[in-house]
Amino acid sequence: NAGVTQTPKFRVLKTGQSMTLLCAQDMNHEYMYWYRQDPGMGLRLIHYSVGEGTTAKGEVPDGYNVSRLKKQNFLLGLESAAPSQTSVYFCASSSYRQGERPTNEKLFFGSGTQLSVL
Amino acid sequence: GQNIDQPTEMTATEGAIVQINCTYQTSGFNGLFWYQQHAGEAPTFLSYNVLDGLEEKGRFSSFLSRSKGYSYLLLKELQMKDSASYLCAAMDSNYQLIWGAGTKLIIKP
Repeated sequence: NAGVTQTPKFRVLKTGQSMTLLCAQDMNHEYMYWYRQDPGMGLRLIHYSVGEGTTAKGEVPDGYNVSRLKKQNFLLGLESAAPSQTSVYFCASSSYRQGERPTNEKLFFGSGTQLSVL
Repeated sequence: GQNIDQPTEMTATEGAIVQINCTYQTSGFNGLFWYQQHAGEAPTFLSYNVLDGLEEKGRFSSFLSRSKGYSYLLLKELQMKDSASYLCAAMDSNYQLIWGAGTKLIIKP
């Protein structure tokens, strides 16, 4: 089973450039999330989606946009990259919603994208 | 504010037992999660506790004390493949996950 697939795995951008990270899941999960992971800090939620066509802001949404046009895909966009966005980005999916009582506690994570902004 | 504390790094010997502690302060509480993350890889789910007590899963056990805001992950019969970071995350009253920075566990032969 593929699970959660993220592309690309690595990317280097110059300040001001744009890019899109793609996340795809084949588990028919309703809920999908984008996190960033920085050294010495816990995972921080950027944006999330509770179903096709819906998105919501997480803890650190500024500078990012997302879209969920199809249930299986969740895209994260950086319109004008900044050095502060250098991080490892993880996509995750689950069958429960953060904000409602969980019926399935697990998050399934993609393998991550290492992004460097110079 | 909401906060999760866990040690930054721990070292243990192959075959031994190690306990990784996690203390949390959240607005309300709906469970405590442990995830394992090998270097350069994605986190993977280990355990979920919402009631006080010990939950055992093979070599790994997780304990929760809600009154103390405290949890630990116990790893027995350590193997080299257990070298990884262990992430503690608490779910608050809004069912939002608050993540700790992770504990890097180094296993020595």
